[in-house]
Amino acid sequence: DAKTTQPPSMDCAEGRAANLPCNHSTISGNEYVYWYRQIHSQGPQYIIHGLKNNETNEMASLIITEDRKSSTLILPHATLRDTAVYYCIVRVPKNTGGFKTIFGAGTRLFVKA
Amino acid sequence: NAGVTQTPKFRVLKTGQSMTLLCAQDMNHEYMYWYRQDPGMGLRLIHYSVGEGTTAKGEVPDGYNVSRLKKQNFLLGLESAAPSQTSVYFCASSTSGGLAGGSSYNEQFFGPGTRLTVL
Repeated sequence: DAKTTQPPSMDCAEGRAANLPCNHSTISGNEYVYWYRQIHSQGPQYIIHGLKNNETNEMASLIITEDRKSSTLILPHATLRDTAVYYCIVRVPKNTGGFKTIFGAGTRLFVKA
Repeated sequence: NAGVTQTPKFRVLKTGQSMTLLCAQDMNHEYMYWYRQDPGMGLRLIHYSVGEGTTAKGEVPDGYNVSRLKKQNFLLGLESAAPSQTSVYFCASSTSGGLAGGSSYNEQFFGPGTRLTVL
């Protein structure tokens, strides 16, 4: 039932770009990809979402491949405060209406000084 | 704005006891959600509400009940706690469809969590 695949952990040097990949090969044509992060012991925080075009906001950029089977979240200049678990999320429509959201285990990003 | 707040932050229960977790939001959001998070796992949706007086089941609703009597509050109840309900519980809210529902998407704002242990 897994809809997204992410590496369990990644390291990044402070000040460098952090590129977090996500595979969502079974995504349907009208489903968005969402990214949230969870800093230790806190509630998840929204980062960005996109459909098929690349997106950028004040926190990050989202690059979605043309076939939409994978995407990459980019933190352009990672800081120590970006150390967190990053979740790539796809909503799956339910037959009964509404959506089922599968968070998965996410990628634990360690930003090192 | 306080955003989303949860009460209590920590609680220890004995098997069979009951309790209610309170979630409050001051952003006038229509949608509210309850999730649970177990070690090494992502969040799983328990119940959600699309407006005052409404509730709906999520992915793991068994053993929990919810109520949304006021727009700003969403209560999660455990009638007879079991060790399997040991978890961290997160509440969230959004203006309309978040990760769980609605044809459009709006950012979900999460509370700080409640750590519940059932012995």
